Amino acid sequence: AQKVTQAQTEISVVEKEDVTLDCVYETRDTTYYLFWYKQPPSGELVFLIRRNSFDEQNEISGRYSWNFQKSTSSFNFTITASQVVDSAVYFCALSAYNTDKLIFGTGTRLQVFP
Amino acid sequence: DGGITQSPKYLFRKEGQNVTLSCEQNLNHDAMYWYRQDPGQGLRLIYYSQIVNDFQKGDIAEGYSVSREKKESFPLTVTSAQKNPTAFYLCASSTGLAGPYNEQFFGPGTRLTVL
Repeated sequence: AQKVTQAQTEISVVEKEDVTLDCVYETRDTTYYLFWYKQPPSGELVFLIRRNSFDEQNEISGRYSWNFQKSTSSFNFTITASQVVDSAVYFCALSAYNTDKLIFGTGTRLQVFP
Repeated sequence: DGGITQSPKYLFRKEGQNVTLSCEQNLNHDAMYWYRQDPGQGLRLIYYSQIVNDFQKGDIAEGYSVSREKKESFPLTVTSAQKNPTAFYLCASSTGLAGPYNEQFFGPGTRLTVL
């Protein structure tokens, strides 16, 4: 069975703090894809990153970075120097090679206070 | 501008009534999806379609129906058989054949409330 766990329901930080959102996944497939999406208060999900199971290189995009570790089945997301505009719900998702479905975690609500 | 539109943004329905949620995309995507989001839960897949005139049930299809008569459109009908329809509904699409290679693009959502 495939499953995505985001144990952190809600995180609150003060602006400029670094914050890490955890994502742990379960799958028996050797080929799979991991995603992060951001859902701001407007409701629309915004794609942030896709990573396939054969690429364990960490990725950095501006203040965002992702740490993929197959050994611990984790795909964690770090925001450096957080800003109020980062306040949103963040979803981690998993898709296996032979399916059309995204399996979403329950999301982590991040609140960044000025 | 290319994108996905959903209408209406807010929808109120009386118990026992069917209601149809609209989803239109101009991204020329082959695949389209409908998700339901409840508070504190992730998105759950209702139906998806890889090609016109074809669609498959997702994890929670009971009480819902869809059609895919045009590539651009994938309306969702919430029927009276759906026991707890109050939720936020999101439509998405992706390029090529539906699959994990490409990210899904999401619409702004429709919030359905049953009175």
